Amino acid sequence: EADIYQTPRYLVIGTGKKITLECSQTMGHDKMYWYQQDPGMELHLIHYSYGVNSTEKGDLSSESTVSRIRTEHFPLTLESARPSHTSQYLCASSEYGTKNTGELFFGEGSRLTVL
Amino acid sequence: RKEVEQDPGPFNVPEGATVAFNCTYSNSASQSFFWYRQDCRKEPKLLMSVYSSGNEDGRFTAQLNRASQYISLLIRDSKLSDSATYLCVVNPADSWGKLQFGAGTQVVVTP
Repeated sequence: EADIYQTPRYLVIGTGKKITLECSQTMGHDKMYWYQQDPGMELHLIHYSYGVNSTEKGDLSSESTVSRIRTEHFPLTLESARPSHTSQYLCASSEYGTKNTGELFFGEGSRLTVL
Repeated sequence: RKEVEQDPGPFNVPEGATVAFNCTYSNSASQSFFWYRQDCRKEPKLLMSVYSSGNEDGRFTAQLNRASQYISLLIRDSKLSDSATYLCVVNPADSWGKLQFGAGTQVVVTP
């Protein structure tokens, strides 16, 4: 079983609120990712990190921001949530370099609904 | 055009039957290929990597056709527990930072 955890699992909030989705992994992985997935659609990479103090934007433009102050922690923040942010957010991690088998380990996801 | 395309299905398969489906990718320089499985409202999990020579893992066989730019997954002796969405995943370059996911093929195994 993968040791990667996301909280909250479900969140319903009003427009304009600031939210932070938490993601933590205990596998010591250097690389971490945030994906966004709508029902029946493909995963879209919105942020990734190669390690501490490294963050990059993914292919899908997102108004969210991320930080990587500790290896195990990769939170995602939305300063002002809007209904268009309603989606499932999946955090993942992987090995880096020669230990990388290409496998991503995903958390169970955070399902966000903005009213 | 999407980078990775899959038939969304659903493929309705009687228990014990064989099902196969493909995934096409647009970037001919793609390096690595994978099949992930995603159950309804769950996170994706790696099913198997796809090697150039093709590979088998129990009842699952994956093939890669670089000339036609597609990969395939075949499931033999389908079980009810095989019902899921199968995601085709492509690494377009050796960066591991931007894996490309297909939208998935849904398989429904019926008794």
